[in-house]
Amino acid sequence: ETGVTQTPRHLVMGMTNKKSLKCEQHLGHNAMYWYKQSAKKPLELMFVYSLEERVENNSVPSRFSPECPNSSHLFLHLHTLQPEDSALYLCASSQDPKGNYGYTFGSGTRLTVV
Amino acid sequence: SQQGEEDPQALSIQEGENATMNCSYKTSINNLQWYRQNSGRGLVHLILIRSNEREKHSGRLRVTLDTSKKSSSLLITASRAADTASYFCATDAWGNNRLAFGKGNQVVVIP
Repeated sequence: ETGVTQTPRHLVMGMTNKKSLKCEQHLGHNAMYWYKQSAKKPLELMFVYSLEERVENNSVPSRFSPECPNSSHLFLHLHTLQPEDSALYLCASSQDPKGNYGYTFGSGTRLTVV
Repeated sequence: SQQGEEDPQALSIQEGENATMNCSYKTSINNLQWYRQNSGRGLVHLILIRSNEREKHSGRLRVTLDTSKKSSSLLITASRAADTASYFCATDAWGNNRLAFGKGNQVVVIP
């Protein structure tokens, strides 16, 4: 375990479903991130939270909605997704928002939209 | 946008051989980092090299950074089957609060 825990590990959902991905870290880190990893594409940054405040949203469709209730927890709420949203969703945290000490990643949630 | 590009994309070597991967980037950086990802898992941070450093070692890993050429290399010496993974470089551009990752290098070490 890396110290960043993501649940569930696998998720299959229909296009009309609503589901949430959860990320939890108890490393005392101040920044948390959501990345999307699709086959043969670079990791795509989706959201950045620093001290529980969203500081960046990389033009992600509104069907993805993040929530950061405290510095240890990060959620990604999903609704009316498309098949092309199927991917590995990775959560990461870092000691400082600028990543000067590297990121710690969770194991990811493998999402399949049917 | 700031992004690392690894070269070569896929590498297959025999156990015990050395593996070298390269990464290039486009703009000024604060630091450059290398990560490893085993199949279907999260990324694991391997090593970070700052823009004022030229070389760094960690166990069997050696990273170089050439800011004049905007490139970095990762060398894995005496490779093992357990080194089979994808390797990513990531750059932290000055003024940004996020890392941009390359597409990754798949390395297969044959026992």
